[in-house]
Amino acid sequence: NAGVMQNPRHLVRRRGQEARLRCSPMKGHSHVYWYRQLPEEGLKFMVYLQKENIIDESGMPKERFSAEFPKEGPSILRIQQVVRGDSAAYFCASSRPTLNTEAFFGQGTRLTVV
Amino acid sequence: QKEVEQNSGPLSVPEGAIASLNCTYSDRGSQSFFWYRQYSGKSPELIMSIYSNGDQEDGRFTAQLNKASQYVSLLIRDSQPSDSATYLCAVSGLYSGGGADGLTFGKGTHLIIQP
Repeated sequence: NAGVMQNPRHLVRRRGQEARLRCSPMKGHSHVYWYRQLPEEGLKFMVYLQKENIIDESGMPKERFSAEFPKEGPSILRIQQVVRGDSAAYFCASSRPTLNTEAFFGQGTRLTVV
Repeated sequence: QKEVEQNSGPLSVPEGAIASLNCTYSDRGSQSFFWYRQYSGKSPELIMSIYSNGDQEDGRFTAQLNKASQYVSLLIRDSQPSDSATYLCAVSGLYSGGGADGLTFGKGTHLIIQP
């Protein structure tokens, strides 16, 4: 049973380019969460998605960041016009659609903006 | 604003001893409580979950929850050098539309097991 799959594992972008991060949840999981971890800081919640729905995006920066989880295919976190401050590890987690359920993390995408 | 507080450490424990990690949280509506282990440069790995007051044991790990005090702890018995990592406490609540909301993490406690 494959775990949460994220790709790419490492991504280098120049300032002003777009970054697209992908996440495929575990089999049987329909809830996807994205988190960001800045160097020497804790994990911060960004967005919670179910298929074709954004449930909670309270942790997303208001500009340049967007997320989707289409009916078919992986969840995508998109960062437009990247800046150096976007350099971080971005983790995706998935869980079953029930309360009191555990979330499992993918291996993350480490974004470096140069 | 939901907050989870942990002592950042480092917490140094001799091999074979019990490591005790603590966490407090601010939101009384929190429903689910988790401990994740994160090695440097790696992703968080779930090691314990607890949902009701009391103790939850799994092998060398015991999670303890006291909702009245808004306190969660993790005990690691017979500590091994491989247990050296950052331990993240995380809590979640019930999202208004149903299901669990996103996890709120503490900044983690850096644990060092000395051989």
